Amino acid sequence: QTLVTQEPSLTVSPGGTVTLTCASSTGAVTSTNYPNWFQQRPGQAPRALIYSASNRHSWTPARFSGSLLGGKAVLTLSGVQPEDEAEYYCLLYFGSGQVVFGGGTKLTVL
Amino acid sequence: QITLKESGPTLVKPTETLTLTCTFSGFSLRSTGVGVGWIRQSPGKALECLAVIYWDDDKYYSPSLKTRLTITKDTSKNQVVLTMTNVDPVDTATYYCAHRLNYRTHFASWGQGTLVTVSS
Repeated sequence: QTLVTQEPSLTVSPGGTVTLTCASSTGAVTSTNYPNWFQQRPGQAPRALIYSASNRHSWTPARFSGSLLGGKAVLTLSGVQPEDEAEYYCLLYFGSGQVVFGGGTKLTVL
Repeated sequence: QITLKESGPTLVKPTETLTLTCTFSGFSLRSTGVGVGWIRQSPGKALECLAVIYWDDDKYYSPSLKTRLTITKDTSKNQVVLTMTNVDPVDTATYYCAHRLNYRTHFASWGQGTLVTVSS
């Protein structure tokens, strides 16, 4: 079964920059995996942030950016705010309708 | 504005069949590329995509749950139904449905989720 791997946890200071990654057990993550990123605060439903690797939704703050780097999908948060403390999930598309979520990264702002 | 809402039982007994309904508005499941997915989250665990149904009635099922799941759509009612057979306490989770716009944009809109507990 295809596995998608993320860092279990990261810590960042307010105003700082942090990078979250998303890797695939099948090999390099590419544009054809159309990486999507989601934010989930405690007790809330997930909220979509990024689609197709680097495109922000209309509601996504500009401090969130997505990219592909070194065979992984990357979510970068710049100028981190306290409200960015949350769980972050990536999702990859593997064709034939198959989509797999990563295990999530718990981001602490401290 | 796209909205989705999950409905179904909050408590089911082990070995029973769970039926969940997603009622949506603001989009059509007849539109090319569109899909609706069911995603669950066990307490303290990660998101898990269970099944997705597409505009052309193609379906995707999680390989690990494929034998227990059925997803169907009723485009006239704007509803998607997920059935899960032979439930077990490990199936206790919050179940979400979400809108897939196209192959690039998965799950841009989500329902609030419904907590299902499996217990005797």
